[in-house]
Amino acid sequence: AQSVTQPDIHITVSEGASLELRCNYSYGATPYLFWYVQSPGQGLQLLLKYFSGDTLVQGIKGFEAEFKRSQSSFNLRKPSVHWSDAAEYFCAVGMFSGGYNKLIFGAGTRLAVHP
Amino acid sequence: GAGVSQSPSNKVTEKGKDVELRCDPISGHTALYWYRQRLGQGLEFLIYFQGNSAPDKSGLPSDRFSAERTGESVSTLTIQRTQQEDSAVYLCASSPGLAGPQETQYFGPGTRLLVL
Repeated sequence: AQSVTQPDIHITVSEGASLELRCNYSYGATPYLFWYVQSPGQGLQLLLKYFSGDTLVQGIKGFEAEFKRSQSSFNLRKPSVHWSDAAEYFCAVGMFSGGYNKLIFGAGTRLAVHP
Repeated sequence: GAGVSQSPSNKVTEKGKDVELRCDPISGHTALYWYRQRLGQGLEFLIYFQGNSAPDKSGLPSDRFSAERTGESVSTLTIQRTQQEDSAVYLCASSPGLAGPQETQYFGPGTRLLVL
């Protein structure tokens, strides 16, 4: 069955430090991969997505992610975290299944940023 | 332009009552999705509408849950005889419906439902 795993439930980093959020997926075909961010009291906002081409994808707010097929991973990175990056981050895989579009989400990683 | 809107933003109800949650998608978007997000958990797919096609109801957790969509606009999610385990944030998303599963979904702010 298709699934998305985010191994880290909660991560705390200092402002200015680098960040990597892990995401692993299980899907037999070429996946469409997404990272969304949910700030407190807000809906989800797309950070970036991968569906073909260059495996290193640039997104908004200085984030990037790298698709590694051999590791079934799509980890999110940022070289220097800002206090405003504190939020919950969701990895998702898009697929066509049973005649319908589906987006399967991971359980999320909550990021806290220390000043 | 306007994004996805949802109403009400918060709803408190008593166990056993029915509730209706509303979603207004982005104009022109033919695809509409409902998700449930329980406290501290990820998003759980509920239902998907695409144009005039039969909806994908595979995520509805019980027959107490139903949803309708008027053409390619407003959608209503109805929960009958609410239970305490229905307490969650209900999120709606829409997408253009032209490019398949690689499309970006645009999310509304959600409706926070509390069943007492």
